[in-house]
Amino acid sequence: AQTVTQSQPEMSVQEAETVTLSCTYDTSENNYYLFWYKQPPSRQMILVIRQEAYKQQNATENRFSVNFQKAAKSFSLKISDSQLGDTAMYFCAFSGTASKLTFGTGTRLQVTL
Amino acid sequence: DTEVTQTPKHLVMGMTNKKSLKCEQHMGHRAMYWYKQKAKKPPELMFVYSYEKLSINESVPSRFSPECPNSSLLNLHLHALQPEDSALYLCASTSRALAGASYNEQFFGPGTRLTVL
Repeated sequence: AQTVTQSQPEMSVQEAETVTLSCTYDTSENNYYLFWYKQPPSRQMILVIRQEAYKQQNATENRFSVNFQKAAKSFSLKISDSQLGDTAMYFCAFSGTASKLTFGTGTRLQVTL
Repeated sequence: DTEVTQTPKHLVMGMTNKKSLKCEQHMGHRAMYWYKQKAKKPPELMFVYSYEKLSINESVPSRFSPECPNSSLLNLHLHALQPEDSALYLCASTSRALAGASYNEQFFGPGTRLTVL
C-alpha cells in the first residue's frame, strides 16, 4: 500500500515571500502520478500541480513549482511571491495503478501581510 | 463545462431522516467518487463508480447507499445516520475509469456540508 506523509501541519509565510511545503511518499510502483491540491477555507478543492513519475523535469505552473526527487520519494511544492489568496490547506496526493488517490494529512498555509 | 456540481450545499437532518446528496458532471468522465472529509483532515474515499458500476466500496456502513443512474450523475442516499457522520461530503470525477491506468487527476465538487442532529 502507498503512504503519503506531510510533516508540516502548519506553516506561515509573508506576502511576496517564498515557501516550500514538504511531501514524501512510499510506493513499490514505478509508474505513478503525484499531485498537490489546494483547499481554501470553506471552498472547493482544486488541483495546483501534477507530476508524472517518468518525467525527470520538475513541473511548473506560474508561481507554483515542484522539486521531485524520485529516488528519495520526495515531492515538495514551492510557492513563489506568495499571495493572500494562497492561504489554504494543501494536500499532497499519490495516484498509482489503483483507481484512487492517496492523500497526505495536509499542511495548513497562512499567508500574512 | 469543466466542473462538478453538488446539491445541496448544506443539509441538516435527524437520525431518523432519509435524504440524498446529488453530484453531476458533464465532462464525459467515466469514473466518479464519493469522499467524506472531516475538518482539517484529508478526504477519505467512500465509493468509486467506474462506467456506472460500483468498483470500490471502502467498507462504508450500509446507512450510506450510493447510486449511479447514468454516466453524469451520482447520488448518495442517507438513512439512519449518526452524529459522527456529520462532515463535508465531496464528489469527484476523472476521465480515467480503468484500474491499471495510473493517471488519475480528479476534479472535485464544492461539497455538501452535512450535519446530523
